[in-house]
Amino acid sequence: AQSVAQPEDQVNVAEGNPLTVKCTYSVSGNPYLFWYVQYPNRGLQFLLKYITGDNLVKGSYGFEAEFNKSQTSFHLKKPSALVSDSALYFCAVREVGTGRRALTFGSGTRLQVQP
Amino acid sequence: AAGVIQSPRHLIKEKRETATLKCYPIPRHDTVYWYQQGPGQDPQFLISFYEKMQSDKGSIPDRFSAQQFSDYHSELNMSSLELGDSALYFCASSPPRGPGSYNEQFFGPGTRLTVL
Repeated sequence: AQSVAQPEDQVNVAEGNPLTVKCTYSVSGNPYLFWYVQYPNRGLQFLLKYITGDNLVKGSYGFEAEFNKSQTSFHLKKPSALVSDSALYFCAVREVGTGRRALTFGSGTRLQVQP
Repeated sequence: AAGVIQSPRHLIKEKRETATLKCYPIPRHDTVYWYQQGPGQDPQFLISFYEKMQSDKGSIPDRFSAQQFSDYHSELNMSSLELGDSALYFCASSPPRGPGSYNEQFFGPGTRLTVL
């Protein structure tokens, strides 16, 4: 079975400061990893994905994430936060090679960027 | 660029009624997924269809059924609605499998179902 853990319900950061939203995963084999963002009353918007290759993945809106296989982590990062980044962030995983394409989501982390 | 379309965006029903949610995937996407997101919760996978056949099943109640039609749109049918069915229902679609395609899922805006 696959699972995702987002240990922080909320992350607060001042505008202009770097931000990190944590995610750890559990799969039997190799993972495909994703980050999505959800604004109020909106759908999930894709930010970035890790499939294979470079452990540092760059995505939309200046976000990046680092895949760490030994720590089974895929933390989301941004060097300089914007107030407009305030939203709900979901990490998701899919296990490679199982034939299952459904995503398993973490519980979400609310990012609050203060001006 | 075209996105996933869901209708209706909002739906209010009473207990024991039925509801039908519709999803129109991005053109040329062949797989549709349904997720349920309860208040303050993460999205939970319900069911998916690939090329009009059910491809995977998650935590979908027996009261719910779904299908994918020849034009690839999908409908989620919900019967004997309960208060606990109140949630945001997302549809997602993904492009055909192939080299370079890693089944990234593109989500629609969701249908907010309220059961009174």
